[in-house]
Amino acid sequence: GDSVTQMEGPVTLSEEAFLTINCTYTATGYPSLFWYVQYPGEGLQLLLKATKADDKGSNKGFEATYRKETTSFHLEKGSVQVSDSAVYFCALSDNNFNKFYFGSGTKLNVKP
Amino acid sequence: GAVVSQHPSRVICKSGTSVKIECRSLDFQATTMFWYRQFPKKSLMLMATSNEGSKATYEQGVEKDKFLINHASLTLSTLTVTSAHPEDSSFYICSANVGTSDQETQYFGPGTRLLVL
Repeated sequence: GDSVTQMEGPVTLSEEAFLTINCTYTATGYPSLFWYVQYPGEGLQLLLKATKADDKGSNKGFEATYRKETTSFHLEKGSVQVSDSAVYFCALSDNNFNKFYFGSGTKLNVKP
Repeated sequence: GAVVSQHPSRVICKSGTSVKIECRSLDFQATTMFWYRQFPKKSLMLMATSNEGSKATYEQGVEKDKFLINHASLTLSTLTVTSAHPEDSSFYICSANVGTSDQETQYFGPGTRLLVL
């Protein structure tokens, strides 16, 4: 079945450091891929998405490229801020966009 | 963007009682809503798909008699945890698709934390 695997956390970085959170997926067909962010005490918010191979999603300085050949959707940011501290979830949806499958989440701690 | 609310945000109940959690789409109609469960330091697990006017579709391993879902209107779905036990303590999150124009995105509620004593 469809599934998402992402790197375990927590990830601790200093402010302005480069961030990469790895995400790989297994799916039949052509899923859409997402990154969601969950700030402390809040619900999930869509960070970015890509709906087909080679698409790049971007938002708030974060980027991820849909790589079909490596079945990956790694999240990157060139310079993290303390306010980026949160839990990040990689997810995919099936062709009908009806079911979402989430990775286990990666907690990011950014220190000043 | 679309707003999904949940009520209550937190609930504490005694073992053996039932608890109802509401999920509302505030500014759009949702024919389909989803219920997830999030364990501490774990991912979200899809429990069931709630369809307006029809029976919910449950994921494998989820007890439908334990987790009753009612989607009586286009803006409201409820999850009732029946005869709750401490192992049911968790964070329950609902979500909804906005519609065909943005169907590839789900909007999530803020979640309901359930603690069963």
